Amino acid sequence: AQRVTQPEKLLSVFKGAPVELKCNYSYSGSPELFWYVQYSRQRLQLLLRHISRESIKGFTADLNKGETSFHLKKPFAQEEDSAMYYCALRGGGFQKLVFGTGTRLLVSP
Amino acid sequence: NAGVTQTPKFQVLKTGQSMTLQCAQDMNHNSMYWYRQDPGMGLRLIYYSASEGTTDKGEVPNGYNVSRLNKREFSLRLESAAPSQTSVYFCASIDRVSEAFFGQGTRLTVV
Repeated sequence: AQRVTQPEKLLSVFKGAPVELKCNYSYSGSPELFWYVQYSRQRLQLLLRHISRESIKGFTADLNKGETSFHLKKPFAQEEDSAMYYCALRGGGFQKLVFGTGTRLLVSP
Repeated sequence: NAGVTQTPKFQVLKTGQSMTLQCAQDMNHNSMYWYRQDPGMGLRLIYYSASEGTTDKGEVPNGYNVSRLNKREFSLRLESAAPSQTSVYFCASIDRVSEAFFGQGTRLTVV
């Protein structure tokens, strides 16, 4: 079964502080992992995916298969990063896309 | 290019009433999904359609039915609405590299 766990409902940091949003998953095969973001009054949108290994808006995420984790990190948070962040998983062979419960990031000035 | 369009944006129903949420995408994607978003519970998958002509249950299918009318359209029906179905509903379509494109959401209140 596919399962995504985001242990933190709310993460509150000050501007300039490092940020790490945690994501753990369970899946028996090789999953595709994603981070989606929902800014206030905007549609949910893709932030980054593990296979592209890219940095988007200063965020990176590394897939750790040993720990079954895909944590999202940013060294210096900005106020505009305040949003709802969802970790998502899709199994191989066009299986369903499932999401975690989300973490609200609040960056204060 | 509209992407994913959902209608209506807002709806209030009385317990027991029925309604259909419409979703259409113009990106020629094979896969379409319906999720509900509730505080503290994230996005939960209701039903999905991997391709035209197929539908499968997700995590929370009870009380819902779906129809994949054609490649563009995927509708969600509540036959007898209950207060527990008060939620924000999102439709999404997924491209070949698994990126999901979401609609703007439908805020449904069942009283």
